[in-house]
Amino acid sequence: DIVLTQTPLSSPVTLGQPASISCRSSQSLVHSDGNTYLSWLQQRPGQPPRLLIYKISNRFSGVPDRFSGSGAGTDFTLKISRVEAEDVGVYYCVQATELWTFGQGTKLEIK
Amino acid sequence: EVQVVVSGGGLVQPGGSLRLSCAASGFTFSNHWMYWVRQAPGKGLVWVARINTDGSYISYPDSVKGRFTISRDNAKNTLWLQMNSLRAEDTALYYCVRDSVRVLDFWGQGTLVTVSS
Repeated sequence: DIVLTQTPLSSPVTLGQPASISCRSSQSLVHSDGNTYLSWLQQRPGQPPRLLIYKISNRFSGVPDRFSGSGAGTDFTLKISRVEAEDVGVYYCVQATELWTFGQGTKLEIK
Repeated sequence: EVQVVVSGGGLVQPGGSLRLSCAASGFTFSNHWMYWVRQAPGKGLVWVARINTDGSYISYPDSVKGRFTISRDNAKNTLWLQMNSLRAEDTALYYCVRDSVRVLDFWGQGTLVTVSS
């Protein structure tokens, strides 16, 4: 099974400052169809997860452009250019190249 | 507006059964694979069942295989999860999730299943 490892597990950030979360896969996430099915989810407190980014770098509908995704192969990054109060929550990377696995989550909190 | 509304959670004794329902609206249900994903209290996300568009392909992780059954009725825009032989470790919030070609793009609010005596 593919294992996704996120770092850090907790990220205290000052409002208005950038934040970055890493997701490393135990094997390449490039699918035989040429796509890389790596997504990022946001889960605000008490809410279901919400899709932010799909296929590494595509922002989902309604997602602010301060969120961006990058990476390739086994290493991926979610960046928030300027953290706002509403960004507090847990962020998960998730791969769908081979079945589905989720990272363990990164808790974003305000300093 | 895309919506997936889950119902059927509750408290059940170990060894008991429960059936979750997911009513979908705002999209062409029959065009999408669907998933059940669960989240134990304070823990991460784990998929527990998936079904293709017409119900001809189904799969489960080993943790629930033989105990959980996913099904769908495209005419009713409804997805179900029949859970039997429930264990304490099945206690979780269960989400119904739409898959758009390997992207879990819409998540319902979830329903809490508590397995306890």
